[in-house]
Amino acid sequence: NAGVMQNPRHLVRRRGQEARLRCSPMKGHSHVYWYRQLPEEGLKFMVYLQKENIIDESGMPKERFSAEFPKEGPSILRIQQVVRGDSAAYFCASSAFGTVENQPQHFGDGTRLSIL
Amino acid sequence: KNEVEQSPQNLTAQEGEFITINCSYSVGISALHWLQQHPGGGIVSLFMLSSGKKKHGRLIATINIQEKHSSLHITASHPRDSAVYICAAKGPNTGNQFYFGTGTSLTVIP
Repeated sequence: NAGVMQNPRHLVRRRGQEARLRCSPMKGHSHVYWYRQLPEEGLKFMVYLQKENIIDESGMPKERFSAEFPKEGPSILRIQQVVRGDSAAYFCASSAFGTVENQPQHFGDGTRLSIL
Repeated sequence: KNEVEQSPQNLTAQEGEFITINCSYSVGISALHWLQQHPGGGIVSLFMLSSGKKKHGRLIATINIQEKHSSLHITASHPRDSAVYICAAKGPNTGNQFYFGTGTSLTVIP
């Protein structure tokens, strides 16, 4: 299956720990997007990356959150010193071309992050 | 006020009914995405459209650019259609962002 792969599906962390969420885009896709879905809320854009570049991080919280998409390997969304409010579903999407070309985005199954 | 508003929030239908879900947006649009999310599951892209109408199986999506409105129709609904349907809009001035509605939760009863 060449779909967007996210892991882990579920992640439990204690307050103050670090959370690392991984996303492997569809084969041939070089554009990755991260979204967060808080309980009872809609999806919110976080960050848009191409290989080795952050294109748009306007939706990322200013502290504790970072994202990368290295030349080799999956995209990583990293949350340092997690707090209860970080509990959410984090979705990754990928596309073959950027949003300027209005290409559809293909979504992964998400990572459900729970903070104890 | 959200950039994208969906109605209704919740919808229950009998199997076989024709269903309409509405999406209104305030941003100037270059593309609109309809997504399906099953409980506890991932998100599936149904349609991406910037004008007119698209059809895939029992699903039809329409968009009226002048009225800033899109509809998703499901013909001959089935219990397996039960899911949350999400509308997402992208405009030429929204950068790389899609703005998402909060979704319409559809339950189709056998």
